[in-house]
Amino acid sequence: ETGVTQTPRHLVMGMTNKKSLKCEQHLGHNAMYWYKQSAKKPLELMFVYSLEERVENNSVPSRFSPECPNSSHLFLHLHTLQPEDSALYLCASSQGGGRYNSPLHFGNGTRLTVT
Amino acid sequence: KQEVTQIPAALSVPEGENLVLNCSFTDSAIYNLQWFRQDPGKGLTSLLLIQSSQREQTSGRLNASLDKSSGRSTLYIAASQPGDSATYLCAVTASGTYKYIFGTGTRLKVLA
Repeated sequence: ETGVTQTPRHLVMGMTNKKSLKCEQHLGHNAMYWYKQSAKKPLELMFVYSLEERVENNSVPSRFSPECPNSSHLFLHLHTLQPEDSALYLCASSQGGGRYNSPLHFGNGTRLTVT
Repeated sequence: KQEVTQIPAALSVPEGENLVLNCSFTDSAIYNLQWFRQDPGKGLTSLLLIQSSQREQTSGRLNASLDKSSGRSTLYIAASQPGDSATYLCAVTASGTYKYIFGTGTRLKVLA
């Protein structure tokens, strides 16, 4: 149990579908992150929320839409995805981000396949 | 623009061997560096975090060192075990930012 729970673990969707990824952290952290991990590429930061406010948005296509209703929950809404969006999507949390020397805690990810 | 490199990309060693994994970064103005472990199909587990003012951190059989001026960190694993088989990643962050820049990792296999 990592303290960060992601659902679903696996998701297969067509290019015209709409789906959402969910992340919940039980660590009392105030920052939450979405990362994309593709084969043979470094982890790519997608979005960061601190105290429910988006503080980083890394030029991510609009077909990915994040939502952070409170400091414990983070969603990634997906619509009209492309096959190249197939990847492992990882959620992470920390206390205060890089200013407080707080380790990142990751969930086990959602393996997304776009057909 | 910060870039993080990890060499080698893959490594196989016999059980019991001591080994060193390398991480280098291009911009020495980092706030901290973290080492992670990732098992297949799983998320990342934080192993050690070294603040920019520190030279090393230890946890059990793991020792991480940091030479900020030369842009290098090493992860030393003593008396390796098959359970240490995983991908090891390092990441750096700059002061005042939430952005961690990751390397592509070293895939370690410890043979029984």
